[in-house]
Amino acid sequence: GENVEQHPSTLSVQEGDSAVIKCTYSDSASNYFPWYKQELGKRPQLIIDIRSNVGEKKDQRIAVTLNKTAKHFSLHITETQPEDSAVYFCAASKGSGGSYIPTFGRGTSLIVHP
Amino acid sequence: KAGVTQTPRYLIKTRGQQVTLSCSPISGHRSVSWYQQTPGQGLQFLFEYFSETQRNKGNFPGRFSGRQFSNSRSEMNVSTLELGDSALYLCASSLARRQTINYGYTFGSGTRLTVV
Repeated sequence: GENVEQHPSTLSVQEGDSAVIKCTYSDSASNYFPWYKQELGKRPQLIIDIRSNVGEKKDQRIAVTLNKTAKHFSLHITETQPEDSAVYFCAASKGSGGSYIPTFGRGTSLIVHP
Repeated sequence: KAGVTQTPRYLIKTRGQQVTLSCSPISGHRSVSWYQQTPGQGLQFLFEYFSETQRNKGNFPGRFSGRQFSNSRSEMNVSTLELGDSALYLCASSLARRQTINYGYTFGSGTRLTVV
């Protein structure tokens, strides 16, 4: 089955710096890669996603890149703010007949120091 | 529109007991998946139910089971609780239409289970 590795497990940055979280996946058939943000005590929420036919996607301060050949994808957050502090999860999946089960990485705890 | 609702939010049980958790999906969502979240282990997939049938299953022992009702609400049951079952249990619902990917995959707020 699919295996997703996520690094680093903890990332500490100063407010205003950029943060990059990297993930690799094993199944070349995976075609959809969402990122979730989970604030302390809250549910994971989708913040951005990318499909395999796209190399990069941007939404304000966050962007995701995908390299299908190398089977890795990354989350980039620019101009970090204290409210960006949370655990971020990457995931990889392949839809099949309407069944969608993402495989998640272990998460990255991002700490933004004011 | 209401989100995914999980009850109860918190639960304390004793080793050896059993527990049932409930998940009500977003109206119209037919697929419900369950995850176990523990520190350092991330989100581990338990199982997915669609149209009252278990469609996918993760690598958990048979003590973990579930079911889905005709209104798409789902329950998860853990029997003979162990200390290691202490975790946040999340469910996620989606439309799961054929030929769509992640159509509205949304998590609930979870049930925090503590086994003492």
